[in-house]
Amino acid sequence: DQQVKQNSPSLSVQEGRISILNCDYTNSMFDYFLWYKKYPAEGPTFLISISSIKDKNEDGRFTVFLNKSAKHLSLHIVPSQPGDSAVYFCAASARNDMRFGAGTRLTVKP
Amino acid sequence: EPEVTQTPSHQVTQMGQEVILRCVPISNHLYFYWYRQILGQKVEFLVSFYNNEISEKSEIFDDQFSVERPDGSNFTLKIRSTKLEDSAMYFCASSFLDSNQPQHFGDGTRLSIL
Repeated sequence: DQQVKQNSPSLSVQEGRISILNCDYTNSMFDYFLWYKKYPAEGPTFLISISSIKDKNEDGRFTVFLNKSAKHLSLHIVPSQPGDSAVYFCAASARNDMRFGAGTRLTVKP
Repeated sequence: EPEVTQTPSHQVTQMGQEVILRCVPISNHLYFYWYRQILGQKVEFLVSFYNNEISEKSEIFDDQFSVERPDGSNFTLKIRSTKLEDSAMYFCASSFLDSNQPQHFGDGTRLSIL
C-alpha cells in the first residue's frame, strides 16, 4: 500500500532552524490530511491537519501546506526545538479510512 | 485531557491461540479504529467501526479478525488463530466524527506470537 509516501526516512536540523517534512499521496479521493508525531512506546499524537479545501493551516510553530495538483503536503516547524525530535507520520483520509506514510525521523540538534 | 486507553500493554500468545486486545475510546467519540504497526514498518489501517458495525476495512482485515463493542465503553479486536506474522503493535483510535476530524490514538498493545 503506497498511497501515502514519505520519501525521507530521516532529517536532521539545527535548533532554531526550519524543519521541512514532506509527504506525497496518490489517491485523489483523500480529502483530509494530518500530521502525527510519535515517540517510542507511545501511540501517534495528533499535531496538525488540513482539509482539501485549504492550502495552508498554521498552528503556532507548525504550518502544513497542501498542494493538491501535485498531491503533495509538507509540514514546516519554525523554529525547531530539541523537543521536536520524534518520528513524524503523514496521514491522509477519505471518510474513515486513514492511511499513513512510513514516517520521517526528525532530529533537532542543540 | 481525555485519552484512549489500551490493555494490555504487552500480550504474549502461542501461535494458533485466540487473542483479544482491548481499548477504551474517548467517551463521546462515535468512530473507532484499529491499526497495526509491524516492527520497522508503517502504521497500517485495519478497520473502522461506527454504530455497532464495521464501516471500512483494509485488505489486511481478513476472516481471522473481528471487532466488537461489547458494552458502552470497550472496543475490542479479536484475532482468532494467531500467526507469527501477527506480531506487531496494535493501536486503537477514536474520533468524534468520521471525516475532517483527527483520530486520537492509544499507546498501543505489543502483541508477540511465539
